[in-house]
Amino acid sequence: EDQVTQSPEALRLQEGESSSLNCSYTVSGLRGLFWYRQDPGKGPEFLFTLYSAGEEKEKERLKATLTKKESFLHITAPKPEDSATYLCAGTDYGQNFVFGPGTRLSVLP
Amino acid sequence: GAVVSQHPSRVICKSGTSVKIECRSLDFQATTMFWYRQFPKKSLMLMATSNEGSKATYEQGVEKDKFLINHASLTLSTLTVTSAHPEDSSFYICSANTGPTRYEQYFGPGTRLTVT
Repeated sequence: EDQVTQSPEALRLQEGESSSLNCSYTVSGLRGLFWYRQDPGKGPEFLFTLYSAGEEKEKERLKATLTKKESFLHITAPKPEDSATYLCAGTDYGQNFVFGPGTRLSVLP
Repeated sequence: GAVVSQHPSRVICKSGTSVKIECRSLDFQATTMFWYRQFPKKSLMLMATSNEGSKATYEQGVEKDKFLINHASLTLSTLTVTSAHPEDSSFYICSANTGPTRYEQYFGPGTRLTVT
């Protein structure tokens, strides 16, 4: 069964304290691995798509990487506005999206 | 680009009534749209996948007669919660992808449904 897990469940960082979020997947025939940011009471905001192992994508303080079994979302020198829930999802053919439970990130000033 | 809107953002209805939620792709044509439900502090649960002009495909355990989905055009899908009950209260979110070879989904802002 396709499955996506994320760790840690919650993470508290001081402003400027870099860290990484993990997404492990068992999606056979993975066609894409996606990262989203979700603020409370809002829909998820698309961040990155990764298609193959070794691929990296960057956006401001965020960098996503992909291996054959997991993906990391690296947050460099985070700011309080980076506080949100970060979701990852995998798909095998584009319609079957399997979401992880998310990591709740809090960045304290 | 790839903006998805939902209307209404919040709705309160009485038990036994029906509620319609609209999902629109504003700057692209969406052949496939998705409807999710999210409980507090939980991840998204896919309810159904709808393709323009055809019947929606519902996930196991989702009552198709209760959650009616219509994808009448390439920019509009609707979810109607029929005979709503308090247990249907939830956060409903739609999404769409921009084409058959683009897998990322773009999400709407969500609709908070409260059934009293």
